[in-house]
Amino acid sequence: GAGVSQSPSNKVTEKGKDVELRCDPISGHTALYWYRQSLGQGLEFLIYFQGNSAPDKSGLPSDRFSAERTGGSVSTLTIQRTQQEDSAVYLCASSRRVAGTTDTQYFGPGTRLTVL
Amino acid sequence: AQKVTQAQTEISVVEKEDVTLDCVYETRDTTYYLFWYKQPPSGELVFLIRRNSFDEQNEISGRYSWNFQKSTSSFNFTITASQVVDSAVYFCALRKAAGNKLTFGGGTRVLVKP
Repeated sequence: GAGVSQSPSNKVTEKGKDVELRCDPISGHTALYWYRQSLGQGLEFLIYFQGNSAPDKSGLPSDRFSAERTGGSVSTLTIQRTQQEDSAVYLCASSRRVAGTTDTQYFGPGTRLTVL
Repeated sequence: AQKVTQAQTEISVVEKEDVTLDCVYETRDTTYYLFWYKQPPSGELVFLIRRNSFDEQNEISGRYSWNFQKSTSSFNFTITASQVVDSAVYFCALRKAAGNKLTFGGGTRVLVKP
C-alpha cells in the first residue's frame, strides 16, 4: 500500500517568510509524528498527534512552530517568520497506535527546507 | 531522560566484509522498545527491526542480525557479507513503552566499497 507522503520535497524560502509543510499518513494510521533532522541536532521529535487527543507539542523548539491535523488524517506543520537555523529536513511518520500494543513508526521521504 | 549513543560516526568496508554497528542506550524505564532504521541516500528512513526490552533473544533476518544485551544496555546490529546497497546511515532509536516519541542516536554512516 501507499506509504507516508510529504510535500513539497524541497522548499527554499527567505528569512522571515512563513512556510507550510504537508504530511499524508498511511491510511488507517491514527498516530502521526513530526521530526526534524539537522546536521547539528540530529533527529529530533517535534510533535505527536493521536486520534482526537490533544497533541504532544513538547518537542516544538519555539512558538514560531505549530502543527495541525485535520480530520484525523493530513497534517500541516507551519513555521512562521523562518530563521536560518530552521533549515533542516522535516520528517513525518505515522503508526497504527492501538491501545495495549506497541507500534512502529513509518517515515515519509521528508521535506528539505532551506532558509536563505 | 533517555539517551542513545552510536559511537561510530562512519564505517568503511569492502564488499563482502561483515560490519557491526554499536548502539548503547540509557533509560530509567523497565519497559521500552528499541529500533533500528536505515536511511539510504534517498533520505527516507526505512524501518528494520523493533525489539521489546523483555525479549533478549537475538534475531537474524537474512544478512542482518541483532544482539540485544540488557546487562550492558546495548543493541548492536551486524550486516554479514556486506553489499554496496547496504551503504546508508543507520539509526538506533529508543521509545518508552507508554511514550510517543523516538529518541534517536546520532547515526552511523556505512560505506560499502565494491
